[in-house]
Amino acid sequence: DAGVTQSPTHLIKTRGQQVTLRCSPKSGHDTVSWYQQALGQGPQFIFQYYEEEERQRGNFPDRFSGHQFPNYSSELNVNALLLGDSALYLCASSLPGGSQGGELFFGEGSRLTVL
Amino acid sequence: DQQVKQNSPSLSVQEGRISILNCDYTNSMFDYFLWYKKYPAEGPTFLISISSIKDKNEDGRFTVFLNKSAKHLSLHIVPSQPGDSAVYFCAAREGNYGQNFVFGPGTRLSVLP
Repeated sequence: DAGVTQSPTHLIKTRGQQVTLRCSPKSGHDTVSWYQQALGQGPQFIFQYYEEEERQRGNFPDRFSGHQFPNYSSELNVNALLLGDSALYLCASSLPGGSQGGELFFGEGSRLTVL
Repeated sequence: DQQVKQNSPSLSVQEGRISILNCDYTNSMFDYFLWYKKYPAEGPTFLISISSIKDKNEDGRFTVFLNKSAKHLSLHIVPSQPGDSAVYFCAAREGNYGQNFVFGPGTRLSVLP
């Protein structure tokens, strides 16, 4: 049973560029959340996708956008990259939308460095 | 304003002894709490959870205690093992829709042989 997979694992970009990160959820999960983890901090919620729509959003600017595909996989896009966007981006999947309780299952993350 | 706080950035414990990791929260609407463990170069992995209707939950060597009046929870690991050395995150959720979890900054636990 494949867990949450993310790609790429590492990438380097320069300021002003755009980046796309990809995530495949754990088998049987249809809800995908994205988190940003800066160095020395806990993961911070970016947004969550369910049924191909953004269901919830954290306190992140519009430069951060996403998409969910019919097979439940998801992309995170960040435009006009800033140095402060350097972080580990974590994708997490969870049980079918609306289920009570339940934990998040995380991928290994995509390490983004902005120079 | 941090809604979930872990005031100890690091903790060192001798192998076989008890590890106690603490977490405080400010949002009284949080009703579900989880602990995650993270090794370097890996994503966080779920350890144990507790609902606000309980004050204790056990799973093997791991026990989580919740004190709602104090807005405080703790994770006890007994006995501690060197493989438990990792960063531990406390996370909380408001309501059961959306599953937007708020994470604390983490506590780095080192279990010394």
